[in-house]
Amino acid sequence: SAVISQKPSRDICQRGTSLTIQCQVDSQVTMMFWYRQQPGQSLTLIATANQGSEATYESGFVIDKFPISRPNLTFSTLTVSNMSPEDSSIYLCSVRYGGALTGELFFGEGSRLTVL
Amino acid sequence: EDQVTQSPEALRLQEGESSSLNCSYTVSGLRGLFWYRQDPGKGPEFLFTLYSAGEEKEKERLKATLTKKESFLHITAPKPEDSATYLCAVQAEGVRGSTLGRLYFGRGTQLTVWP
Repeated sequence: SAVISQKPSRDICQRGTSLTIQCQVDSQVTMMFWYRQQPGQSLTLIATANQGSEATYESGFVIDKFPISRPNLTFSTLTVSNMSPEDSSIYLCSVRYGGALTGELFFGEGSRLTVL
Repeated sequence: EDQVTQSPEALRLQEGESSSLNCSYTVSGLRGLFWYRQDPGKGPEFLFTLYSAGEEKEKERLKATLTKKESFLHITAPKPEDSATYLCAVQAEGVRGSTLGRLYFGRGTQLTVWP
């Protein structure tokens, strides 16, 4: 299994500010995924981050709101921009070994954001 | 429209009382069904992947099974440490506009096992 470290683990933010979440993986992976888990809701994919190319965003998520960086094969960041209370959620980084269509998906511990 | 539905939403069991959690899915072209365990304040922990109807996998007190429409997570003689939220997810070919490798998650079943 993968060791996936996320920082920060939790934060309390003011409305209108931005916060960057970091994700570090202990081995090289091609695809990294960012999910959001809102209270009482299922995990929802925000975007897929591939090294060397622009991130691919799911419907309802845009780059201006959730810019993503993927500078190398073991690291990615997700920024939550211009935050509002509706952005209060757990943000999870995940990786998949064995290719995009096979293998297990492993998650980091998550970053719990509270926006006041 | 939800691709994955889990039931019940919450389940309380006495220690040793076996039961099952259900995960039904509506996608076509299933490429894999995944079970995760999530403890409060933690990320989901991978448990099983099932790929075809009839497949079964076991791990300690947990056993996952798969049919063409649903999966069950059977918990035999549960202990309080089995208390967690159990998540089900599917990967499918038949979801329009699906991102390659994307998993669709259910909302989970919150299991509480009391001594």
